[in-house]
Amino acid sequence: AQSVAQPEDQVNVAEGNPLTVKCTYSVSGNPYLFWYVQYPNRGLQFLLKYITGDNLVKGSYGFEAEFNKSQTSFHLKKPSALVSDSALYFCAVRDIREAGTALIFGKGTTLSVSS
Amino acid sequence: DTEVTQTPKHLVMGMTNKKSLKCEQHMGHRAMYWYKQKAKKPPELMFVYSYEKLSINESVPSRFSPECPNSSLLNLHLHALQPEDSALYLCASSQDHRGQGNIQYFGAGTRLSVL
Repeated sequence: AQSVAQPEDQVNVAEGNPLTVKCTYSVSGNPYLFWYVQYPNRGLQFLLKYITGDNLVKGSYGFEAEFNKSQTSFHLKKPSALVSDSALYFCAVRDIREAGTALIFGKGTTLSVSS
Repeated sequence: DTEVTQTPKHLVMGMTNKKSLKCEQHMGHRAMYWYKQKAKKPPELMFVYSYEKLSINESVPSRFSPECPNSSLLNLHLHALQPEDSALYLCASSQDHRGQGNIQYFGAGTRLSVL
């Protein structure tokens, strides 16, 4: 079965510093990986995805993610954090089933950026 | 435009009530999804519709009844809910449900409280 793990419940970083939110995956076959962000009382917003190709994926709002096949990781990064980046971040993997596909989410990581 | 619109934003209902949640998208997407999300937890898939047909039901209790009247609309009919059903209900859509790289776009959700 496909799964993703987010080992940190919370990440704290100062504004202007680089940030990393970790995700590891376990899949059979090729991984299709996604990052979403959720602000309080809102739905999920798509940030970026990895399907194939370059291991460094660029996404929305200055975020990028690095796919590492040997470490089965897909960590989310940003060179310089903003207070407005504070939110709940979910890593997800595509789960391919006979009836179609679905997203399996990690437990989420709360990012807190202090000024 | 990547907007998925959900109504109402908030809903309070008693255990004997019947109510419906509504979701609408005008992106021409042919797959639509219902998720349930508890506070600070990842979304859990409930149903997937593909081309207006139910393709995935994640063993959801029958007190939740989905309906897809056309390719733009998705409803979730609620009847005889329990207090533990209180949650944020998220709707999402994607181009179709088989494309492995397809992005799911989420609505802002309906926050449901069952008294």
